[in-house]
Amino acid sequence: QSALTQPASVSGSPGQSITISCTGTSSDVGGYNYVSWYQQHPGKAPKLMIYDVSNRPSGVSNRFSGSKSGNTASLTISGLQAEDEADYYCSSYTSSSTLVFGTGTKVSVL
Amino acid sequence: QVQLVESGGGLVKPGGSLRLSCAASGFTFNDYYMSWIRQAPGKGLEWVSYITSSSGYTNSADSVKGRFTISRDNAKNSLYLQMNSLSAEDTAVYYCARGGTAAALKFDYWGQGTLVTVSS
Repeated sequence: QSALTQPASVSGSPGQSITISCTGTSSDVGGYNYVSWYQQHPGKAPKLMIYDVSNRPSGVSNRFSGSKSGNTASLTISGLQAEDEADYYCSSYTSSSTLVFGTGTKVSVL
Repeated sequence: QVQLVESGGGLVKPGGSLRLSCAASGFTFNDYYMSWIRQAPGKGLEWVSYITSSSGYTNSADSVKGRFTISRDNAKNSLYLQMNSLSAEDTAVYYCARGGTAAALKFDYWGQGTLVTVSS
């Protein structure tokens, strides 16, 4: 149950778009369309941003979008805003009927 | 509105035990899978365990298998995590989170977390 691989940090200027990758294997990300993304501000509980690869829960801005290609899933934040500065984690269902999170990515708004 | 409130965290000595609780409200608890997820200080999220809506099936991460037991009481709208043989590596904030109605594929609501510190 190795953690999914994410870049440690990604940054962008306000208004720009950024993409965070989440790389796993054919036993998790590549094998199922059950990738979720979570946003976590310091000292707060995580918040679900994307589920089932590309679906947004009610109330989540449409500036957030998800996709997947092979063993890599991606979260794109368009029109970057100061409030988007946070840690982001992906997660995936696995062939062992377990869940696995990514290593986490710190997003900085320059 | 959906609320999840964890309790039971604290300081425990290595080798000790602790039982966490999560009180749920604002939704039909017995319809949903539930999970525990933890986060060590300054580290990332780690899925710990999940339980089906009827308690018919549970699964846990290898790191806690054989030491931690997840359970629920649908009559009390409560989720539990019994933690035994604790070590310093188990020090973390423990969150309970709601899964789906058919599987624990995503976590759409989270509690505020309860801190467990394992230290002598």
